[in-house]
Formats: sequence, structure tokens, C-alpha cells
Amino acid sequence: KQEVTQIPAALSVPEGENLVLNCSFTDSAIYNLQWFRQDPGKGLTSLLLIQSSQREQTSGRLNASLDKSSGRSTLYIAASQPGDSATYLCAVGGGGNKLTFGTGTQLKVEL
Amino acid sequence: AAGVIQSPRHLIKEKRETATLKCYPIPRHDTVYWYQQGPGQDPQFLISFYEKMQSDKGSIPDRFSAQQFSDYHSELNMSSLELGDSALYFCASSSRLTGAYEKLFFGSGTQLSVL
Repeated sequence: KQEVTQIPAALSVPEGENLVLNCSFTDSAIYNLQWFRQDPGKGLTSLLLIQSSQREQTSGRLNASLDKSSGRSTLYIAASQPGDSATYLCAVGGGGNKLTFGTGTQLKVEL
Repeated sequence: AAGVIQSPRHLIKEKRETATLKCYPIPRHDTVYWYQQGPGQDPQFLISFYEKMQSDKGSIPDRFSAQQFSDYHSELNMSSLELGDSALYFCASSSRLTGAYEKLFFGSGTQLSVL
């Protein structure tokens, strides 16, 4: 059974810092890996999707990498802003487009 | 742009009651997924539908059932509610026609509280 772990569980940084969120998974037989953002009381917003054959994806200040053989992914956020404060969820895509989520990293970017 | 719409946003029920959650996918999306997120937990896959047929099943209790209708909206029916069913229920949709099948779009969720 796929298990997804995210470290750290919570992170507080000053505005402008670059930061890295980590995700690890136990079964390397994945279809894809996605990073989502979850704001309180709102749904999940897809940030980046990396196919199993890809190594990284970039969108604006976000860069996600995937090392399938070691079961790891990182989400790099450059020049963090208070608006980046949210919970970030890593999800591994399996057969049938089912996602197995990690428990998330709660990020707070302070002024 | 149209997003995934879920109703109601909040629902309060007593134990042993029934509840129906509704999901309206993005237009022209043919696949719907249901996820359950308990307090402080990660979302867990419940069930999915493609073209009105159940395509996959996860950790959905036997007390729950779901279906996808001809207009592609989906309903999650929950009976004999238990305190442990209190959670945020997400619906997501995707499209096999657009080539972006793996990109799921999530609704804002229905917060179910069972008292």
C-alpha cells in the first residue's frame, strides 16, 4: 500500500525566503506526482503535476522535482510571500487516477 | 472559468440520519472522484465514475453509495451516519478527452458534521 509522508508538518518563514517542502513515498510504481495547495475552508488547487517519466516541472516561483527511484519529491518556492501561506499537499497518482495524499505541510509566511 | 461545484457547503446531521452530497463537474469533464478528509488528516479516495459507470472504489463504507447521472453530476448518499463520518468531502473532476486526464480539479468541499 502506498504511503506518502511530508516533512516538515509545519513551517514558518519570513517573507522573501526561498524554501523547500519534502515529500516521500514508499512505492515507486507511480503514474505521476502532484502538488496541491489547500486554503482553509476551500478546495484543493493543483499547483504542479509531474509525470512519472519527468524529473521536474516549473510554474512561476514554484519548482517541483521528482526522483522516482528514491521515492522523493520536493517543492521549491522562491521568494516566498504572505499569500503563499497555506497547506501544501503532495499526492501520488496511481492506477485509475487515484491519488494518495500526504498529510501536508502547513506553511506560514510572515511579514 | 467554471469550476467544480459542490452542494451543500455545510451539512449538519444527527447520528443514524442520511445525507446526500452533490457534485457538478466542470462542463465536458467525464470523470468524477470523491474524497473524504477527516479533521487533521489527508484526503482519502472513496470512489470514482467515468461516463456514468463506477470506475474505481477505495475506502468507501458499505453505508455509502454514489452514482453519476446522465448530465455527469454525481451524488454521494450516506446512510446510518456515524460520528466518525464527520469530515470534509471533496469532489473532483477530470476529462479523458482533453489529454489532461491526470489533472484533477477539486471543488470547495462539503463539510459534514454528525452530532
